[in-house]
Amino acid sequence: GAVVSQHPSWVICKSGTSVKIECRSLDFQATTMFWYRQFPKQSLMLMATSNEGSKATYEQGVEKDKFLINHASLTLSTLTVTSAHPEDSSFYICSAPTSGNWNTQYFGPGTRLTVL
Amino acid sequence: QQQVKQSPQSLIVQKGGISIINCAYENTAFDYFPWYQQFPGKGPALLIAIRPDVSEKKEGRFTISFNKSAKQFSLHIMDSQPGDSATYFCAASKGNQFYFGTGTSLTVIP
Repeated sequence: GAVVSQHPSWVICKSGTSVKIECRSLDFQATTMFWYRQFPKQSLMLMATSNEGSKATYEQGVEKDKFLINHASLTLSTLTVTSAHPEDSSFYICSAPTSGNWNTQYFGPGTRLTVL
Repeated sequence: QQQVKQSPQSLIVQKGGISIINCAYENTAFDYFPWYQQFPGKGPALLIAIRPDVSEKKEGRFTISFNKSAKQFSLHIMDSQPGDSATYFCAASKGNQFYFGTGTSLTVIP
């Protein structure tokens, strides 16, 4: 199956700093990628849809100025958590459908963010 | 409104037993129903999926049963093994709209 990678796999930062998380589709092109947030023992919460070459679409309640998304190429989307605070600590996961088949979503391994 | 309801929240099964996880959906427009398996600290991985034109799909020890009229589908894990211990998510989708269930934490005890 298709492979999606994320970097870093975990990051610890101080409150007030910004953190960038990368999501890459390794063996296919992804015009669209999805960013999820997952709290411990909970389901995945869709944060935003990242579209290559255009602005991301954010879900209701997600602050677009806090969670900056850039989808600069067909294989890379980045999520930047700006001015991170402890409540932003979470597991962030990206996914991408393969071209022409929206139903088949491949997930990245996730990034554990801890804000001190 | 929760588009996909999943139960139970947690499940403990003896090795060799059958694990059954149930999901129900609301929107009849959904046309794809995947199950994902997630181990701690990892992203979800596609396990098995079904479309509404069939009532059952089997892949190895994993079977999806689908009841279109009841808007329900379930995952059956036969001969459950300790290595199956993970969190399982059902989902329903239409196009690029994906809705996940709340997850079931499965523990298979030796």
